[in-house]
Amino acid sequence: QVHLVQSGAEVKKPGASVKVSCKASGYTITASYIHWVRQAPGQGLEWMGWINPNSGGTNYAQKFQGWVTMTRDTSISTAYMEVSRLRYDDTAVYYCAREVGGNRDLNWFDPWGQGTLVTVSS
Amino acid sequence: QSALTQPRSVSGSPGQSVTISCTGTSSYVGGYKSVSWYQQHPGKAPKLMIHDFSKRPSGVPDRFSGSKSGNTASLTISGLQAEDEADYYCCSYAGNYTWVFGGGTKLTVL
Repeated sequence: QVHLVQSGAEVKKPGASVKVSCKASGYTITASYIHWVRQAPGQGLEWMGWINPNSGGTNYAQKFQGWVTMTRDTSISTAYMEVSRLRYDDTAVYYCAREVGGNRDLNWFDPWGQGTLVTVSS
Repeated sequence: QSALTQPRSVSGSPGQSVTISCTGTSSYVGGYKSVSWYQQHPGKAPKLMIHDFSKRPSGVPDRFSGSKSGNTASLTISGLQAEDEADYYCCSYAGNYTWVFGGGTKLTVL
């Protein structure tokens, strides 16, 4: 069974960085792209970007370019998402999700990690 | 502002059917690009319910169905049950290897 397990909740000060991990099991992490999606309190889902765990290639939503970095460590089947220069409005639950399907423009996300709450507070 | 527009809320009584729409521009939904639907209960991670507009993954009840007409994709839940009360999001490929979510719809079972 495919699972994505994320790291625990974080509390950070404004201006700091946070790195969230997403450990894959039940499949070979290099076989599927990993996406990151965030959800601010009471708000909807916001797509952030993806990483190709095989090559390390990434693509970010324009909003997140320059301050979000996605990486991976294939030796431990784990993807990472780091947000730098945290602001109060970065407070959100961050999810990882596996991209599934045969053609990228037709693909979908399944499963999702359980989510990691990042709270930015002074 | 999302490029995919969903109603903010819908409601229905147990046993009834409800339909949630997801309207995009001709770039999303209206073209050959696919739409997937996700269910999210409070405090939980989203769960895939429909992909490729109308395909249901194994384990998803057949009460859930998807369709597309023009620039609008729809999720229909028939035989509404209390546990269907949740938020529902549509999602589509948005070009240049990016994806976009609809704003979400809160389903209330009366």
